[in-house]
Amino acid sequence: DADVTQTPRNRITKTGKRIMLECSQTKGHDRMYWYRQDPGLGLRLIYYSFDVKDINKGEISDGYSVSRQAQAKFSLSLESAIPNQTALYFCATSDLGQGATGELFFGEGSRLTVL
Amino acid sequence: QQPVQSPQAVILREGEDAVINCSSSKALYSVHWYRQKHGEAPIFLMILLKGGEQKGHDKISASFNEKKQQSSLYLTASQLSYSGTYFCGTEYNNFNKFYFGSGTKLNVKP
Repeated sequence: DADVTQTPRNRITKTGKRIMLECSQTKGHDRMYWYRQDPGLGLRLIYYSFDVKDINKGEISDGYSVSRQAQAKFSLSLESAIPNQTALYFCATSDLGQGATGELFFGEGSRLTVL
Repeated sequence: QQPVQSPQAVILREGEDAVINCSSSKALYSVHWYRQKHGEAPIFLMILLKGGEQKGHDKISASFNEKKQQSSLYLTASQLSYSGTYFCGTEYNNFNKFYFGSGTKLNVKP
């Protein structure tokens, strides 16, 4: 089983619908992130959380919200999806404990299409 | 705050070398390098810290020039398995918050 699991892996929805992407991890990391990937634009940070009570906006948070339900779970919501939110979404975790490199461990991605 | 990567794409023959550059307009704390295969998640290659030395991983190495605020990834004697898109992720302070470049697509042909 993957250490960072995203659901759903693929989703097609219509404009105006509410969508939730879920991320769970078994790595025991405190830090979790949501990134969006678009062709030619690389990965852009949407939201990040350094612990359950700490949630921060990233570069492109407009139109998105998040919830950190537990150390292991970090969900991304699109309250009213629009077509330009069609993208590949990645959840990632990192660890800054002693000896850790701070590297990001990515989930397998959730491909969202908004019609 | 996204770093600028160059080139955008590279085509190599097996055994050839390549250099990928990552530049920032802000002072860097660290640079991460990742490789992503088509349809897969990015995989961590290495991290370079401010004040750190050049790192190596098999035939892939990287350097960090603090003065120029840039990092370079060196792929020597490339193998077919090196194909993919390479991203640099820059960190501007020790907050573990990363900004990624737009990627360099590397295609290694037999």
